[in-house]
Amino acid sequence: AQSVTQLDSHVSVSEGTPVLLRCNYSSSYSPSLFWYVQHPNKGLQLLLKYTSAATLVKGINGFEAEFKKSETSFHLTKPSAHMSDAAEYFCVVSSPSGNTPLVFGKGTRLSVIA
Amino acid sequence: NAGVTQTPKFRILKIGQSMTLQCTQDMNHNYMYWYRQDPGMGLKLIYYSVGAGITDKGEVPNGYNVSRSTTEDFPLRLELAAPSQTSVYFCASENRVNTGELFFGEGSRLTVL
Repeated sequence: AQSVTQLDSHVSVSEGTPVLLRCNYSSSYSPSLFWYVQHPNKGLQLLLKYTSAATLVKGINGFEAEFKKSETSFHLTKPSAHMSDAAEYFCVVSSPSGNTPLVFGKGTRLSVIA
Repeated sequence: NAGVTQTPKFRILKIGQSMTLQCTQDMNHNYMYWYRQDPGMGLKLIYYSVGAGITDKGEVPNGYNVSRSTTEDFPLRLELAAPSQTSVYFCASENRVNTGELFFGEGSRLTVL
């Protein structure tokens, strides 16, 4: 079985300040982990992915995430928020070696204040 | 490379009507999913399939049916449409063999009046 918990439903930051979106997971297998972003009235776009290579993963638009097995976490960060980062962010866990569907977190809405 | 193709993009239904949302992928992915997303909410899994001939219920299957006769196609059938089924529907396929990355269709906005 696997699950994912996004610890904040809404995060608000000022433009130019750091972003931290938190995600914890559980998985019976070696997981693959993803962050997807959804801008208003748009589809979902892959931000970055962890697939058992380097634990610090760099994605698009300056985002990165660190896989911490001991903490079962995969938090998303960005050093400096931009207005265009305002969107919904979803953390996803998949177990490629298992036979269960991947699992979406409930999402974190990021607001960026000018 | 088309990826995941989902049709129609928009549809208005009357209560009690039926329709099928089409989803096709050309990446030879075994895993496919149907999600619904209500306004301001996250994604809820309706049905999924781990390969041709195999389907299983997700979190919110009531009022829907699926079939998977080929690897490429995974249509979602709505029987007796109800206002509660007004939502945006996303089809996705998963590259389970390699990375588990999801590839999404563009979404279908369905309104039931």
